[in-house]
Amino acid sequence: GQQLNQSPQSMFIQEGEDVSMNCTSSSIFNTWLWYKQDPGEGPVLLIALYKAGELTSNGRLTAQFGITRKDSFLNISASIPSDVGIYFCAGHAGGTSYGKLTFGQGTILTVHP
Amino acid sequence: NAGVTQTPKFRVLKTGQSMTLLCAQDMNHEYMYWYRQDPGMGLRLIHYSVGEGTTAKGEVPDGYNVSRLKKQNFLLGLESAAPSQTSVYFCASRLTQETQYFGPGTRLLVL
Repeated sequence: GQQLNQSPQSMFIQEGEDVSMNCTSSSIFNTWLWYKQDPGEGPVLLIALYKAGELTSNGRLTAQFGITRKDSFLNISASIPSDVGIYFCAGHAGGTSYGKLTFGQGTILTVHP
Repeated sequence: NAGVTQTPKFRVLKTGQSMTLLCAQDMNHEYMYWYRQDPGMGLRLIHYSVGEGTTAKGEVPDGYNVSRLKKQNFLLGLESAAPSQTSVYFCASRLTQETQYFGPGTRLLVL
């Protein structure tokens, strides 16, 4: 099946620093999604990308849909302690896949005050 | 509007016991999904449903069964629990676009 490689696996940063993480796929996706999971909670959607090359922002978060449609990037600017959590990328292949998503392994973000 | 809810929140089972996890959504979504989350492996799809009365296998369906008798409910069953099924289980639903909305999860420990 399709594989998503998400990196880095974990990050330890100081408050105020910028963060970058990315996801690469062995095959093409039509939609890329970025989710955040707080401890003990379910994933919550941060940003959805629907077109190759698309750059979308949500507050301090910016995500891009790679031109090749095989990768996506998420940047967080000026991190704050509440950014702590696990960030997941997810891809949707389109067609008759019934909305099924393929998830990356997650990036664990720790922010030191 | 509660969104997606899951019961129970936490459960401990002995090997061989059975149980049913309940997922309920009040958003009138057609599609529903069951995932399991294990450390370092992200979320893996167990089963999904594209509408009331329909179910289909996902990536890791072995050892699980599902039913969607009502549009708002999606049940995940473990007939004979095994330690390998210790995990956190998430339910999700969606209407038409790819965006899925997740429940808070059920933590299952099989001894």
